[in-house]
Amino acid sequence: DAKTTQPNSMESNEEEPVHLPCNHSTISGTDYIHWYRQLPSQGPEYVIHGLTSNVNNRMASLAIAEDRKSSTLILHRATLRDAAVYYCILPNNAGNMLTFGGGTRLMVKP
Amino acid sequence: DTAVSQTPKYLVTQMGNDKSIKCEQNLGHDTMYWYKQDSKKFLKIMFSYNNKELIINETVPNRFSPKSPDKAHLNLHINSLELGDSAVYFCASSQVPGPMNTEAFFGQGTRLTVV
Repeated sequence: DAKTTQPNSMESNEEEPVHLPCNHSTISGTDYIHWYRQLPSQGPEYVIHGLTSNVNNRMASLAIAEDRKSSTLILHRATLRDAAVYYCILPNNAGNMLTFGGGTRLMVKP
Repeated sequence: DTAVSQTPKYLVTQMGNDKSIKCEQNLGHDTMYWYKQDSKKFLKIMFSYNNKELIINETVPNRFSPKSPDKAHLNLHINSLELGDSAVYFCASSQVPGPMNTEAFFGQGTRLTVV
């Protein structure tokens, strides 16, 4: 199964943009890159996903490198409510489940 | 309306007991999952059901038995509870049998404490 590598933790100031990196050098050509986040004491929450092109939605943007070996989740203006663990995930080889790694714990300072 | 709901939210029980956690989704999804999050916060998939059929069983002990009476429900029954079963259990659902290009929705979790 393709693996992802993320920093353990990152800090950001409130109202500033945040760039959360993810390396996935063993990604296959058909793997979608998924991002989820888990707020304290809650279940994981879908953020965004993409295949090749950069993607935007109301929560975030996903920038995917041209070779697809890395991606960056961009929160345009971090708020205190964005403090969570962010997971960059690739499907397993069978493509039928999400395998969560350690994620990046984002801390947002007021 | 809650998309994926689990009950109970908290469960404290003694070793050796049998307990169940219920999960229901009102999204019309065909696929449901159970994940376990241990004290180190790693989320691991346990089971996946598609249209009431088991499609993934990630080497979970036989004491854990999922039951899917219909595609909107996936309950988790645990026999002979052990201390190591203490964790937060999350139910999830997705539209396709494998969230390859769609999102999965998670419940709020059930914190199980075995004493």
